[in-house]
Amino acid sequence: SYVLTQPPSVSVAPGQTARITCGGNSIGSKGVHWYQVRPGQAPVVVVYDDDDRPSGIPERFSGSNSGHTATLTISRVEAGDEAAYYCQVWDSSGHEVVFGGGTKVTVL
Amino acid sequence: QVQLVQSGAEVKKPGASVKVSCRASGYTFTDYYMHWVRQAPGQGLEWMGWINPNSGGTNYAKKFQGRVTMTRDTSVTTLYMELNRLASDDTAVYFCARAVGIPAQSDYWGQGTLVTVSS
Repeated sequence: SYVLTQPPSVSVAPGQTARITCGGNSIGSKGVHWYQVRPGQAPVVVVYDDDDRPSGIPERFSGSNSGHTATLTISRVEAGDEAAYYCQVWDSSGHEVVFGGGTKVTVL
Repeated sequence: QVQLVQSGAEVKKPGASVKVSCRASGYTFTDYYMHWVRQAPGQGLEWMGWINPNSGGTNYAKKFQGRVTMTRDTSVTTLYMELNRLASDDTAVYFCARAVGIPAQSDYWGQGTLVTVSS
């Protein structure tokens, strides 16, 4: 089965840039979606199809995807960005949706 | 506006079954797939499967095949997820989440339903 690997945690100071990676075999050939999950709340998509942003999501959130790594970048980090972030792909070989293990972003 | 409203929290004993509902409104019910995703306490998101509300067709994660059933009732625009033979590690918040297509992102999520399995 297809596996997505994320770092468990990332720490960043306010105003700095957070980069969250999502590793997978030839993930660059797949469309990657990113979700923000705050405790006790439902997930919210912040980037879809590698680098598109839903309406209402700040431009500070951006994505890229190439080779074996997709990246979610949060620029000018704010305290409100503190949450867990998950990458997600569709594994067409296994006919399954796959989530990464999640990355907890801590704003120092 | 799009709304996905899930049924309330459940407490079940090991070996029992649970059926969670997800009532959809604010969009054309048959135009969007519905995924079911769960999150155990302190754990990550786990995909369980999807249902096509138009055809009723389903695709379940291998982990849950034989134990999960996803259905829909188009007359009341409601989706259902039933999980059988519950064990303690099925304790989780269960979400429904719609998507315009299978590779597509889930743009709206239900509020979640806590299912607690305890003897």
